[in-house]
Amino acid sequence: KAGVTQTPRYLIKTRGQQVTLSCSPISGHRSVSWYQQTPGQGLQFLFEYFSETQRNKGNFPGRFSGRQFSNSRSEMNVSTLELGDSALYLCASSRGTSGASETQYFGPGTRLLVL
Amino acid sequence: QKEVEQDPGPLSVPEGAIVSLNCTYSNSAFQYFMWYRQYSRKGPELLMYTYSSGNKEDGRFTAQVDKSSKYISLFIRDSQPSDSATYLCAMSRRAGANSKLTFGKGITLSVRP
Repeated sequence: KAGVTQTPRYLIKTRGQQVTLSCSPISGHRSVSWYQQTPGQGLQFLFEYFSETQRNKGNFPGRFSGRQFSNSRSEMNVSTLELGDSALYLCASSRGTSGASETQYFGPGTRLLVL
Repeated sequence: QKEVEQDPGPLSVPEGAIVSLNCTYSNSAFQYFMWYRQYSRKGPELLMYTYSSGNKEDGRFTAQVDKSSKYISLFIRDSQPSDSATYLCAMSRRAGANSKLTFGKGITLSVRP
């Protein structure tokens, strides 16, 4: 079956702009999590959505927001971009159950460069 | 102190070597431990998933967890050039998707033919 897809793959923006990234989870998966990956901080959890509701949130400022649609596709938005927002943004999907062996499947990421 | 510390890299080994990758953590609430592999320009893929202390083996890969020392390891036997990638340890307090994964920074492994 098709994996997690993210669009766009690459994006260049300037400071102060806003950006919207999209993630389509694996068919049948209801949970989507977003992560930011930078060389300095590594992979950091942003938030998780399940059935259109945010049920887990990391320690990022309010400029980072997200939403999930009824078909489980998710978008994340970053407003008022800063240079430090340059990163690889990854989304991961899973069925969303609490089984012990639940696996999160990652997409290829969107590489954002803020100039 | 970061919750999860991973040995800095990069690491370069000859083909066939045994590779040992390690992480330490400070939060005793972590119960679930994972190792992900990330190839260049790809997202991380789950390699190993273990619960609490003990060893788990899968082919050439062995994951080891020592909760008393707050230390986890991944061993790769008979390393191959195709193992060249970035390896990330990750852990969570709860099982399943309703849990935040906390990652180490990752170590880049290069296996020389």
